Amino acid sequence: DAGVTQSPTHLIKTRGQHVTLRCSPISGHKSVSWYQQVLGQGPQFIFQYYEKEERGRGNFPDRFSARQFPNYSSELNVNALLLGDSALYLCASSFSRAYRTDTQYFGPGTRLTVL
Amino acid sequence: AQSVAQPEDQVNVAEGNPLTVKCTYSVSGNPYLFWYVQYPNRGLQFLLKYITGDNLVKGSYGFEAEFNKSQTSFHLKKPSALVSDSALYFCAVRDSRNTDKLIFGTGTRLQVFP
Repeated sequence: DAGVTQSPTHLIKTRGQHVTLRCSPISGHKSVSWYQQVLGQGPQFIFQYYEKEERGRGNFPDRFSARQFPNYSSELNVNALLLGDSALYLCASSFSRAYRTDTQYFGPGTRLTVL
Repeated sequence: AQSVAQPEDQVNVAEGNPLTVKCTYSVSGNPYLFWYVQYPNRGLQFLLKYITGDNLVKGSYGFEAEFNKSQTSFHLKKPSALVSDSALYFCAVRDSRNTDKLIFGTGTRLQVFP
């Protein structure tokens, strides 16, 4: 079975631009979460979506938004890019069954560079 | 608030020797703890997790972790290190049962020398 896939692999943007990152979860997984990993740090939680509804939001500005589609894939959108948005963006999926602590499986990430 | 701490930025060990990567946690309620490994320019790979039950958790690639409630620790261990184990290791705690949100430590770089 395919793991979590993300596109694109790398992306270079300039300040003020907008970016869309995409994620496809493992087949059967209904939950997708997004994390930002700045160089030298651990991943920071941005969003979780489950069954197309937002289940959690991290401490990120409103420039960051996301959505989940009926096939459980997801998009992360970032508007008005800043230099500080340069990072590895990780997507993770899980079954996220109620009252269970399911494992999150991560994709390879999208490396975003803002110039 | 939930948190984890990885007190060592880097751990060096000779191939064939046992390794330990340390993690301590602070949670309200029951801890749900995870270890992930990250190779250069790659995403995170799941190694193991502690939810409940035995304090010694066995995971992938020969790794195991020991949960110690009294010391609030969840150290990652392997009896015999391989050069290929060299990577960045992250400890994480689940924020609550209502969300998948993981709170990660700052990471520990493991360097295994031949």
